[in-house]
Amino acid sequence: EVQLVESGGDLVQPGGSLRLSCAASGFTFSGHWMHWVRQVPGKGLVWVSRINIDGSTTTYADSVKGRFTISRDNAKNTLYLQMNSLRAEDTAFYYCARDKIYCSSTNCWGGDWFDSWGQGTLVTVSS
Amino acid sequence: DIVMTQSPDSLAVSLGERATIKCKSSQSILYNSNNKNFLSWYQQKPGQPPKLLIYWASTRESGVPDRFSGSGSGTDFTLTISSLQAEDVAVYYCQQYYGPPFTFGGGTRVEIK
Repeated sequence: EVQLVESGGDLVQPGGSLRLSCAASGFTFSGHWMHWVRQVPGKGLVWVSRINIDGSTTTYADSVKGRFTISRDNAKNTLYLQMNSLRAEDTAFYYCARDKIYCSSTNCWGGDWFDSWGQGTLVTVSS
Repeated sequence: DIVMTQSPDSLAVSLGERATIKCKSSQSILYNSNNKNFLSWYQQKPGQPPKLLIYWASTRESGVPDRFSGSGSGTDFTLTISSLQAEDVAVYYCQQYYGPPFTFGGGTRVEIK
């Protein structure tokens, strides 16, 4: 069974830092691009960042670029999100999500939509 | 950025009746090289993470009941629940994966009338 378990969410002051983790199990973690998506309680979903299978390529939403860093440790089956210079507007549930792999008769690719999600971890930025 | 606009914000449907949710993208998300629409639909129940329902605009994810269907192309898309069940009460989101940032619609809340 595919499992994604986030941790690391906490109450932090504006300007502070936090590192989120997402422990993966039940699938070949190193074979999937991974993403972070956030959601303000009661509001909609916002994509935050993605990372390729070996960690060499990362992409960010403009709202977090330069402040957040996504990384992964395939040996530990774990995805990370280092969050610096936190702002009140970063308050949200943070979900890790796995990309969907789709295949033709000859090849397989990762798509930037999400077939498995963790339960989320809450980050609250407040003084 | 591609803006995804869903309508309505909420709807109430009687059990067994049809529910229709619209999603419009600010630019075409039809990729000409493979003739596929880069659009997915998710269901989110209270206190739970989203669940993938549909991708490529109309391909149902494994295990998703066939009362859920997706249609549309280019910029206009529809999620249809053909016969609403009590367990379908949720918020539904569309998402484009044509290019980053991968944007979601604002969500449509489906309730029982």
